[in-house]
Formats: sequence, C-alpha cells, structure tokens
Amino acid sequence: DIQLTQSPSFLSASVGARVTITCRASQGISSYLAWYQQIPGKAPKLLIYAASTLQSGVPSRFSGSESGTEFTLTISSLQPEDFATYYCQQLSSYPYTFGQGTKLEIK
Amino acid sequence: QVQLQESGPGLVKPSETLSLTCTVSGGSVRNYYWSWVRQTAGKGLEWIGYIHDTGSTNYNPSLKSRVAMSVDMSKNQFSLKMSSVTAADTAIYYCARVSPTVWRWFDPWGQGTLVTVSS
Repeated sequence: DIQLTQSPSFLSASVGARVTITCRASQGISSYLAWYQQIPGKAPKLLIYAASTLQSGVPSRFSGSESGTEFTLTISSLQPEDFATYYCQQLSSYPYTFGQGTKLEIK
Repeated sequence: QVQLQESGPGLVKPSETLSLTCTVSGGSVRNYYWSWVRQTAGKGLEWIGYIHDTGSTNYNPSLKSRVAMSVDMSKNQFSLKMSSVTAADTAIYYCARVSPTVWRWFDPWGQGTLVTVSS
C-alpha cells in the first residue's frame, strides 16, 4: 500500500496567516492526489484534486502544488471557518489511502 | 445538487453482518463509481472499496474477504455488507461519489453513520 505522511500533525495559526501542510507519498503517485477538509462532526469535503485543481466553489485562498512525491496544501489567508482537520488522499493505485490528518487550530 | 444519505443499524453484534445503504438524491447512480469509507480515531480514514453502476467492484484487500457491495439503480441506492464484524469495525461509515474520470476524487460525501459493534 502507498503510505501518505502528513506534516505537521498539529498546527496552530492566527486568522489572516498563511499556512502550508505537506503530504509525502511513499512512492510516486503522479498527480493523483486530493485534499479534503473535515470540520468536527461533519463529513470530509473535497478541496483540491489532481494535486492542484481547485474544486468548484472552493475559495481561491486554497491552493495545491507538487514536487515529486511531496504535495503541499496552502491556505493564503486563514479565515475563521478554515480551522479544521485536513487530509490528503492518493488515488494512483489500490487500495486508495489517506494521510493521517493535520489539525489546524486557532492561535 | 447531488446528496448522499447513509442508513442502517447503528448497533451490530460481534460475528454478525453489518449492512448499510446509501441513497442518492439529486442525481443518478448511473455512470459513476460509488465508494464506502470508514473513520476511526485510531486508524483515521480507511477506504473500504467502490462499485460502478455496471456492478464492477474494487475492494480494499485488507477487507476484501468480508465485504460485498451492490447497486440498485431502480432505487438509486448502493449498499455495503461486511460480515463477521468485530469491535475493530466500530467506526463512522461514509458513502461517497467517485469521479469516473482519469483524475479521481470523492465528492460529495454522505453525512456519515456511526456503527458500533457490541453485544
């Protein structure tokens, strides 16, 4: 199975800050990576697919990039509604797998 | 827009079969893949498998021997059955639509349903 390692696991930041979350794959997955946001008590919500394509309706402050097996989710200016847990998911090979999550908290 | 809703028993006894249904509204089950994902505090998000409207399936090898999925186009529903459950199968179970394109994604997701395995 392809392992996805997210860093950091916990992140504390202020409203208006720029934050970056990294997801490293254990082997090459091309651009078959998606990012999700999960608010407590809710289902995951798709933010980005194909590593850098913003899902329709998602604010443009969210962006994704890749470099080899390292993928990055950036939030350019944190808003109060962005404090949540973020997950990456690889869809390159079966079984599909998820990262362990990054919990973003208010500083 | 498309909405998904899971339904099924919230409590299942050990060694019995877990059965869940996902009802799709605002769209058709045709031409998409439909997936089940579960979430636990210990293991995080785990992909269980998916089914296409043609009936073709792909299951996580770690669960394959106990899992079966089906789709009912007349009811616009798809279902999950997991046999021989143990306490380790206690989780929130989500259903989700999977894009049929080369670039896969899961969207939307159902709200999730908590299944507890206990006697």
